[in-house]
Amino acid sequence: ILNVEQSPQSLHVQEGDSTNFTCSFPSSNFYALHWYRWETAKSPEALFVMTLNGDEKKKGRISATLNTKEGYSYLYIKGSQPEDSATYLCASDLNQFYFGTGTSLTVIP
Amino acid sequence: DGGITQSPKYLFRKEGQNVTLSCEQNLNHDAMYWYRQDPGQGLRLIYYSQIVNDFQKGDIAEGYSVSREKKESFPLTVTSAQKNPTAFYLCASSIEGLTQETQYFGPGTRLLVL
Repeated sequence: ILNVEQSPQSLHVQEGDSTNFTCSFPSSNFYALHWYRWETAKSPEALFVMTLNGDEKKKGRISATLNTKEGYSYLYIKGSQPEDSATYLCASDLNQFYFGTGTSLTVIP
Repeated sequence: DGGITQSPKYLFRKEGQNVTLSCEQNLNHDAMYWYRQDPGQGLRLIYYSQIVNDFQKGDIAEGYSVSREKKESFPLTVTSAQKNPTAFYLCASSIEGLTQETQYFGPGTRLLVL
């Protein structure tokens, strides 16, 4: 079983603040990293699939970077809004998904 | 609307009882998955299937069984052999089950033991 870690476990920010959190994974045998956003009472929603070292992906105010050599990915949210409140999951993809425990983000209006 | 449906939303199980969780998808995906979520842990893979009439055990398959008789459906049975079944169960699907493919998730079923 692959050890994927996410930090911090939870985060409270004020509306308008920018924030970031980390997903760490073993750097050997890397194929892909997936980021998901999971709002309460909804299905997890795919944000990004990242495959190459140095990848940067962006979707609106959310962006992500990938460093496969050191085994981490950052997720950034610029100008957080209350609707960004959710749990953000990452999963290392090695023919099956290995999920971290998630970062719970609360944006305070 | 294309998507994945899971039913019921909540399910109660008595001691010694088998229960079946439903998962249906109309995305025309070949691959389907079952995950379990426990507090403080990441989602863990129970079973997956890449094609009708074939499925593979995941990391925590003990006490569970599945079937894949139709492409659209991948029901999970929690048997009485599963000693700690209380958890949140998520079903997912992907196009072919290949690496780098996005998995699409249903809304989940919460199973509680009475």
